[in-house]
Amino acid sequence: SQTIHQWPATLVQPVGSPLSLECTVEGTSNPNLYWYRQAAGRGLQLLFYSVGIGQISSEVPQNLSASRPQDRQFILSSKKLLLSDSGFYLCAWNPGRTGNTIYFGEGSWLTVV
Amino acid sequence: EDQVTQSPEALRLQEGESSSLNCSYTVSGLRGLFWYRQDPGKGPEFLFTLYSAGEEKEKERLKATLTKKESFLHITAPKPEDSATYLCAVTQYGQNFVFGPGTRLSVLP
Repeated sequence: SQTIHQWPATLVQPVGSPLSLECTVEGTSNPNLYWYRQAAGRGLQLLFYSVGIGQISSEVPQNLSASRPQDRQFILSSKKLLLSDSGFYLCAWNPGRTGNTIYFGEGSWLTVV
Repeated sequence: EDQVTQSPEALRLQEGESSSLNCSYTVSGLRGLFWYRQDPGKGPEFLFTLYSAGEEKEKERLKATLTKKESFLHITAPKPEDSATYLCAVTQYGQNFVFGPGTRLSVLP
């Protein structure tokens, strides 16, 4: 069966520091991969999605970036965090066929202080 | 622009008091509508996928239905453990998924 792992689960970072969140999917190949952000009490905002290695689509201009160095690995990064980057970050995947369900990891809580 | 709205924003029920949550969408060429349950501090947990108007899916006390413009999540005789935020999402092409803001459900014992 397929599983998705996301880490770290929580982190507190100072303003201006770098960020790296990692996500890996097991039990499937060539998945679509996604990074979402969920601000407190708000809906899910799509940040990036990827349909293959090195293929990244950005939905929201910001100081975050994403990379997909391997088929089942998706990384969210920032060189300098802002206070507004605080939130709940979710990695997700789907099998890559039209209409297929999207499945989420457990999420990473980021607090920028 | 594709949009998903959910109502009510929050719902408080007594244990055993049945009700429905609504998800309205505006998207052309719907390729799937999805319901998720999200507990505080956790990632959304998949519940149902609906593909065409008239389709229904059931799981324990939950039943999801779909029309051409909206979906309902019916909760029959809810229990306190059903308390969570319920999210609705749609996809047009199977790559991009648009989520609604969710309905926070509280079931009181």
